[in-house]
Order: sequence, then C-alpha cells, then structure tokens
Amino acid sequence: GAVVSQHPSRVICKSGTSVKIECRSLDFQATTMFWYRQFPKQSLMLMATSNEGSKATYEQGVEKDKFLINHASLTLSTLTVTSAHPEDSSFYICSASQGGSNQPQHFGDGTRLSIL
Amino acid sequence: QQPVQSPQAVILREGEDAVINCSSSKALYSVHWYRQKHGEAPVFLMILLKGGEQKGHEKISASFNEKKQQSSLYLTASQLSYSGTYFCGTDAYTSGTYKYIFGTGTRLKVLA
Repeated sequence: GAVVSQHPSRVICKSGTSVKIECRSLDFQATTMFWYRQFPKQSLMLMATSNEGSKATYEQGVEKDKFLINHASLTLSTLTVTSAHPEDSSFYICSASQGGSNQPQHFGDGTRLSIL
Repeated sequence: QQPVQSPQAVILREGEDAVINCSSSKALYSVHWYRQKHGEAPVFLMILLKGGEQKGHEKISASFNEKKQQSSLYLTASQLSYSGTYFCGTDAYTSGTYKYIFGTGTRLKVLA
C-alpha cells in the first residue's frame, strides 16, 4: 500500500520551456502533498506544501510564479516549472501524506529535470 | 535551521552496528526517519511522536528525546541492503507554526 506515482521520471528540454510534473497517490487519499528539490549529495529542500482544494504554501525563497502547484484532488498534485532555465535543473520529488505529523510521507520516484 | 545529523558518513562491515543522530535547534513534535538509495526516492522507516519513545523495525530502531530535541537511529547487525543515505524528517516549531524539515543526511555504506 501507500504507492505514489510521479511522472515523468526524466525530462530534458530547452531553456524557456515549461515543464509539468504529476504526482499521484494511487491507493490512498492524500490530504497533503509536498514538493521537494534535491541537489546531488544534499538533503531534500522543501519547496511547498499543498492541501487539496487550497493554495499551496511556498517556502521562503521559492518563487510561486515560477513553480506553479495545483492540488486539484485528493490523489493528484502537479508542479509546473514555468519558463525553465538551466539553473532549474535538479531532482524534484513529491510526497503524499494523509495529513498530520503522525502520518508518514510516501515519496514518488522523483523527476530528474535537465534544462539545456 | 536544518537539523544536523551525525556522523555525516559511516562505513561498516556487514554485521556491525551503527548509530545515527539527529539534533534540532527547534522544539520538535515528531521525528520521521527515511532511507534513500542513490538515484531513488526516500523510503519511510518509522515515525516517533512522544518524548522518549522508542520504536523498532526489524533490526532498525530509533529513540526520540523531546526535551533534548534529538533522535537517534540504531542499526544492528547491518546488512548490505542498509546502504544508503539516512535522513531524519522533523516537524519543528518555527515562527509560530510547525514546519517539516529534513536533516542534513548521513551516508551509510555497508561492505561485505
């Protein structure tokens, strides 16, 4: 149980392209979804927290107009990197939780984004 | 702000034990432990909610000292499959609210 599907797993595109990443909880309802960014050999840095049906809460330093998050249903959240540039290249990971500190986060397999 | 984990890296022989510590400067409500293998997403190990609580998962157990704002992960009789980077995830009280923050990570390598 507790499977989270994240697509695509790998994206290579030209600078200026917008990229959409999907995160789906397949066998449970995720009241909260998290989006992380991870650089090589570093920890996961939380970008934003989204709750179904409400606006995402972005962490300090994360541009909300650059990283658009939509959490339209209890099983789907999307992250759109708008007008991506080489500095946006990274490993993006989503996680889903049934809410609350007593619930684990279940992670998707991540998306490796490379902007040329 | 980010919880500090120690050691940063450790190399073990199969069958040896290890302890990974997670220390926060903020008051903690809960601590989660995850293991991440290279190029993969983190995998949930366990959650600790109460002060002084200990939990076990096969040969992996953990403790949480709420007062000291610390948690420790204990790996006993390590196996090759234990290799990876271990992260603590903390629900820390920051600026009037709880925020989820991952620790700095500990790279563990188990050799045959």
